[in-house]
Amino acid sequence: GAVVSQHPSRVICKSGTSVKIECRSLDFQATTMFWYRQFPKKSLMLMATSNEGSKATYEQGVEKDKFLINHASLTLSTLTVTSAHPEDSSFYICSARVPTDTGAFFGQGTRLTVV
Amino acid sequence: KNQVEQSPQSLIILEGKNCTLQCNYTVSPFSNLRWYKQDTGRGPVSLTIMTFSENTKSNGRYTATLDADTKQSSLHITASQLSDSASYICVVRFKAAGNKLTFGGGTRVLVKP
Repeated sequence: GAVVSQHPSRVICKSGTSVKIECRSLDFQATTMFWYRQFPKKSLMLMATSNEGSKATYEQGVEKDKFLINHASLTLSTLTVTSAHPEDSSFYICSARVPTDTGAFFGQGTRLTVV
Repeated sequence: KNQVEQSPQSLIILEGKNCTLQCNYTVSPFSNLRWYKQDTGRGPVSLTIMTFSENTKSNGRYTATLDADTKQSSLHITASQLSDSASYICVVRFKAAGNKLTFGGGTRVLVKP
């Protein structure tokens, strides 16, 4: 099946610094990728839709200046958490739509801890 | 609002036993309904996908069913194994919602030896 690779799987950063998370589609081109946030024992919450070559679409309540998304190529989308604070600590997951598939495939997730 | 609700929230079963998870969705035509397995600290992995016209889909010991009349889907796990311990998430792609997926809250399954 299609493979979506997310990196890093875990990251610890100091409060006030920025962290970049990468999401790659390894064997297909993804014009659309999605970024989710997941709190403990909760389901995934869509943060934004990343469109290749254009601006991302953010869900209501998600700060676009806080969570910068770049989808510069058909195989890579990045999420940058800027000026991270402890409350940004969470599990972030990306997914990509496969053109030949009606569903979506997810990355492995990134555990962000801000200290 | 398109919603997806799952039950139970959690369950504990003994290794080797069967179990069934439920997923109810609200009134709306949908493109597909998918069951995912999510291990702790990992991303969701697709188990089955069904379109509106399909009734059942199997993937090894996992069998998903769909009843469009009652707007219910179930995921049946046969002969559970310790590795089945995970969260199982029902995800629906509603046509009215465009490309967005609507997630159920998930069912946390713990298989004990």
